[in-house]
Amino acid sequence: GAGVSQTPSNKVTEKGKYVELRCDPISGHTALYWYRQSLGQGPEFLIYFQGTGAADDSGLPNDRFFAVRPEGSVSTLKIQRTERGDSAVYLCASSSGLAGVEQFFGPGTRLTVL
Amino acid sequence: AQKVTQAQTEISVVEKEDVTLDCVYETRDTTYYLFWYKQPPSGELVFLIRRNSFDEQNEISGRYSWNFQKSTSSFNFTITASQVVDSAVYFCALSERDNAGNMLTFGGGTRLMVKP
Repeated sequence: GAGVSQTPSNKVTEKGKYVELRCDPISGHTALYWYRQSLGQGPEFLIYFQGTGAADDSGLPNDRFFAVRPEGSVSTLKIQRTERGDSAVYLCASSSGLAGVEQFFGPGTRLTVL
Repeated sequence: AQKVTQAQTEISVVEKEDVTLDCVYETRDTTYYLFWYKQPPSGELVFLIRRNSFDEQNEISGRYSWNFQKSTSSFNFTITASQVVDSAVYFCALSERDNAGNMLTFGGGTRLMVKP
């Protein structure tokens, strides 16, 4: 079956612009996660959805970051007024939502802010 | 708060050598889950193994084995007879049962380079 997909694979934007990153989870997975991975580091949690609602957004760095999952499937991570420090790989993962199960990751979107 | 430490940032071995990647974790939860993921040069994180805190049995899968020791809060990963295709960054991760979201806390990763 299809895995987690993310689009675009690469996004180059200019400082101050708005960007949207899309994640399509594994069909039937109720839990969806966004992580951010800076060069040479491990992924860091941003936000978690259970169904349509953002159950935990404690990892979002500031109010320029926002994410939605309106129908409980596809999710969009939105970044306003991008800054050079936002440059990173943004990873999406999904799981069945049960405690302790593995998360399946997408290939990521590499965001470069010039 | 939970924390995962992978003290080895880079390891270089010659093919067929055995190599162990260390992982030390911190948590206040009594029920937790530990994971290893592989990130090859293509960039996609690949799930390798999951352990829960009540199961300290070591596990072997082909050339891979894992040693979980609660007494030292460690979950180490050994590759036997390494191959060039094992070259990747390996991440250890932790999630806690008390955290309803089951989000993962990752270590900084260990880059393994296997030379022919």
